[in-house]
Order: sequence, then C-alpha cells, then structure tokens
Amino acid sequence: LAKTTQPISMDSYEGQEVNITCSHNNIATNDYITWYQQFPSQGPRFIIQGYKTKVTNEVASLFIPADRKSSTLSLPRVSLSDTAVYYCLVGAAMDSNYQLIWGAGTKLIIKP
Amino acid sequence: EPEVTQTPSHQVTQMGQEVILRCVPISNHLYFYWYRQILGQKVEFLVSFYNNEISEKSEIFDDQFSVERPDGSNFTLKIRSTKLEDSAMYFCASKAGVVENEQFFGPGTRLTVL
Repeated sequence: LAKTTQPISMDSYEGQEVNITCSHNNIATNDYITWYQQFPSQGPRFIIQGYKTKVTNEVASLFIPADRKSSTLSLPRVSLSDTAVYYCLVGAAMDSNYQLIWGAGTKLIIKP
Repeated sequence: EPEVTQTPSHQVTQMGQEVILRCVPISNHLYFYWYRQILGQKVEFLVSFYNNEISEKSEIFDDQFSVERPDGSNFTLKIRSTKLEDSAMYFCASKAGVVENEQFFGPGTRLTVL
C-alpha cells in the first residue's frame, strides 16, 4: 500500500488560492489519488479523486504529473470555512477490498 | 442527499464492558467500513465488509472486535471487552460499488472508556 507525505500544516488568507502537494513515490499502476477534508469532530468528506493529469469539480482541482509520484490539491479563493485537515490517500479504488490508508494530513488554517 | 448515520453520538462505558456501535449506511451501497480516530491522531482503518463478510481487516481489529449486518440496513461494530485505549471516534463509511470510488462517512460515535 502506497504511503503519502504531506506538509503538516499550512496557513493562508481568505480569497487566496491554496495548493497542497502530496508525494506518493510508491504509487502503483492501479492506484487512484483521493483527497478528503475533515472538520473537527466530524467524519471525513470526499473532495476529489483522480488518476492522471487534471481533474476539476465544483470545489477543487487536482493536478497529477505524468509520473504520478505527487499530486496537488488546489482550492480556489479559500474562505474561513475551508479551515480543516486535508488528507491525501492512494489506493486501488477498483478493488473490492479498497482500503484507505490515512496519513497525518495537512492542517490548513485560513486567516481573515 | 442520502447520508450515513451513526448512533449513539457519544457512548461512555466502563472498562471491560461490551459496546455496540451502530451505523446505517446509504441504502443502495454495497461496501461498508469502520475506521477509528484517537483524539488528535490520524484516521485508522479497522475493517471492510462486503457481501455479508469481512473483506479485509487491520491489525487493530483483533478478536475483541466483530462486525455484523443483522438486517438490510444496519451495520454494527461490537467491542466485546473494552479497554481504556479503545477510547476514540469511530467512523462508519459506505461505498456504492466497485466502480464508484467515494466513501461516504458518518458523523462518528465518540467512545469513552473509563
């Protein structure tokens, strides 16, 4: 199971774009990259998932270079409510035994 | 929007007692999971469940733990004899199918073992 490395914490300001990079040097061919968000005392919430290149949805973009050894979650124009812990995970999503292995995550603090 | 629910929200128990944590996954989902998160620490996988049997379990999920889907809606985690170190948030999650990748998490049950 691939291991991920993320910055422990990041600060930014309202209205800024925030990019959180995750490294996953041992990613396997059939692994997907998934990002979750967690607020204190709540369950994690799916943000975005991708396999290669770029994926965009209504809340974020995910950039994955060709070698897939890293990925960057991009949050456009953050607000105070984006303060949370962000987890990067890799795993074989097409596997019925799909197991999410969690790292420590990145604690993002948005300041006014 | 459908959601995963968990009961109770907070459970306090004495060491050595049995506890059952309950989850109602999203109704058409086929894959079910339990995770735990000790306060201030990372989320840890416990067990995955599919087709009425355990698919995979972690080292944490020892003989003190069991899971059950007693009917078509509930998914339970039982801890037979709780220890102090079992105090944590326990999250249930469900996933629609093999193709769908998103796991939907419940709000969690905070278990406090005294």
